[in-house]
Amino acid sequence: GAVVSQHPSRVICKSGTSVKIECRSLDFQATTMFWYRQFPKKSLMLMATSNEGSKATYEQGVEKDKFLINHASLTLSTLTVTSAHPEDSSFYICSARDSFGGDRAYNSPLHFGNGTRLTVT
Amino acid sequence: EDQVTQSPEALRLQEGESSSLNCSYTVSGLRGLFWYRQDPGKGPEFLFTLYSAGEEKEKERLKATLTKKESFLHITAPKPEDSATYLCAVQANSGGYQKVTFGIGTKLQVIP
Repeated sequence: GAVVSQHPSRVICKSGTSVKIECRSLDFQATTMFWYRQFPKKSLMLMATSNEGSKATYEQGVEKDKFLINHASLTLSTLTVTSAHPEDSSFYICSARDSFGGDRAYNSPLHFGNGTRLTVT
Repeated sequence: EDQVTQSPEALRLQEGESSSLNCSYTVSGLRGLFWYRQDPGKGPEFLFTLYSAGEEKEKERLKATLTKKESFLHITAPKPEDSATYLCAVQANSGGYQKVTFGIGTKLQVIP
C-alpha cells in the first residue's frame, strides 16, 4: 500500500521551455502533497506544499511563478517548471501521506515517488 | 530551527559486519521520526516511524531505536543488497503546521 507514482522519470528540455511533472497517489487519497528538490550530498529541500482545491504554499526562496503547482484532485498534483534554465536541472521528488489513514494520519510517514531527473540544456 | 544531523556520512562494511547509523535531532514538539532508504536515482522508500522515546521497530536486518535526542538504525549482518543511502527525518509542529526536516543521509556500502 501507499504507492506514489511520479512521471516522467527523466526529461530533457531546452532552455526557455516548460516541463510538467505529475504525482499520483495510487491507493490512497491525499489532501496534501509535497514537492522536494534534491541536490547531491544535500538533504531533501522542501519546495512547496500542494493543497487539494486551494493554492500551494511555497517555502522561502522558491519562486511561485516559476514552479507552478496544481492539486486538482485527492490523488493528483502537478509541478510545472516554467521557462526552465540550466540551473533548474535537478532531481525533483513528490511525496504524500494518507490523509484518511486513521488516528495518526496527520503524523503518518510521507511516501515518495521515484523522482524526476530534469536536465535543461 | 529544527535540525537533523546524520553520522557517519558514509560507511563501508564487510558483509556480515554489524553496525549502527546515528541520527541526532533538535526539534521542539517531535511528532515522529522516520527512517527511509534511498537507492541511486530513486525516491526514498519508507522503513520505520518512531513516535516516542524508548520505542523500537524491526524489519529483517534493520532495527530502529529512539531516545529524546537521537535515533539509531542498527544493521545486523548486512548483505550487499543493503547498500543504499539511509535518510532520517523528523516531523515537528512548526508555526501551526507539521514540518518534516531531513538529514543528508548516510551512504552505506556493504562489500561481499
